[in-house]
Amino acid sequence: DTAVSQTPKYLVTQMGNDKSIKCEQNLGHDTMYWYKQDSKKFLKIMFSYNNKELIINETVPNRFSPKSPDKAHLNLHINSLELGDSAVYFCASSQLFEQYFGPGTRLTVT
Amino acid sequence: QKEVEQNSGPLSVPEGAIASLNCTYSDRVSQSFFWYRQYSGKSPELIMSIYSNGDKEDGRFTAQLNKASQYVSLLIRDSQPSDSATYLCAVNVRNAGNNRKLIWGLGTSLAVNP
Repeated sequence: DTAVSQTPKYLVTQMGNDKSIKCEQNLGHDTMYWYKQDSKKFLKIMFSYNNKELIINETVPNRFSPKSPDKAHLNLHINSLELGDSAVYFCASSQLFEQYFGPGTRLTVT
Repeated sequence: QKEVEQNSGPLSVPEGAIASLNCTYSDRVSQSFFWYRQYSGKSPELIMSIYSNGDKEDGRFTAQLNKASQYVSLLIRDSQPSDSATYLCAVNVRNAGNNRKLIWGLGTSLAVNP
């Protein structure tokens, strides 16, 4: 019955590798988001999709590429991983203004 | 730069007391305000939303909004040790492309002591 799910939960990889995180929501929401929460716990929006259309791109490096195959799924692909990409990445969804979060993916780049 | 400010704490209260968490925001035209709770190692969980000036109560939680002062607060009555968490304030704003997004405070860490 998980409303917003993400895989994987943990990701440990080396610099320079490429990795993907997947997100799915079963709430029927039209809008999905990717957030990054850094070591200081600051939560910052990266991308937002509404009905598969990208509507927010918050000056994220081109190495990050989101993809929404349908409105229930939002994936995040990261190329050429850097040490500074280490963080927790949260997916969220909303119908209007209230956002609901997935469990997060803890990415560690070594 | 649109901002949301919170006192980082830690705010320490005894069990059974009222915990008061405060948040100020810079965008005068914001209309939607949210409080999330985040336990260590977990994701943010929505606990209250408020859209109109005044108080909104839900169980032990009361959100208070004053748009003139650009201030939103969260009161937790009869605080329990299970309320110990970081409380994040979020404000809905429009970006340059006229799309809505949440901007977040850094959170206030609350510790409820048995």
